[in-house]
Amino acid sequence: AQRVTQPEKLLSVFKGAPVELKCNYSYSGSPELFWYVQYSRQRLQLLLRHISRESIKGFTADLNKGETSFHLKKPFAQEEDSAMYYCALNWDAGGTSYGKLTFGQGTILTVHP
Amino acid sequence: KAGVTQTPRYLIKTRGQQVTLSCSPISGHRSVSWYQQTPGQGLQFLFEYFSETQRNKGNFPGRFSGRQFSNSRSEMNVSTLELGDSALYLCASSSPDRGYGYTFGSGTRLTVV
Repeated sequence: AQRVTQPEKLLSVFKGAPVELKCNYSYSGSPELFWYVQYSRQRLQLLLRHISRESIKGFTADLNKGETSFHLKKPFAQEEDSAMYYCALNWDAGGTSYGKLTFGQGTILTVHP
Repeated sequence: KAGVTQTPRYLIKTRGQQVTLSCSPISGHRSVSWYQQTPGQGLQFLFEYFSETQRNKGNFPGRFSGRQFSNSRSEMNVSTLELGDSALYLCASSSPDRGYGYTFGSGTRLTVV
């Protein structure tokens, strides 16, 4: 069965400090991994997709299949980064994406001035 | 382009009643998924539809059902409401391309009294 673990429920850093939000997954097949962000009173938004290897708002995430991890990193945190972050796993059925996301419990990031 | 639209935004129902929630996906998206979000359980997958067919179903009782129409719009229905069904119900739509990611609506806040 698929499982996503975000070990930190709360994470506090100061502005300008590096931040890393951890995500570990359990899945035997070919995973699709995403990071979603939910700012206060806003809808859940897609932040990163592992397949695109992009950087959004200064955030990056690398899929490490050996460690089954997909940690989210940013070298210099900003106050506007304060939000709830969810790691999510989808499974790939032979090259077609199936819409069955398994979410971690989320990490609340607070960036202090 | 327009995002994922969910109606209504808020609902208050009494135990034992039934409720229907609606979701209009992004134009061109044929996959629609539904999720339940609660403080205790987080985000949990309910079901996913693609081209009017249910492809995946989560671990929810049969009181939870859904359907998708030929224009990709989707509805979910909850019958015989229980207090524990109070939650934010989220709809997400996606292209079937691998790793595309899912765009979420703002959700319908259901309160069962």
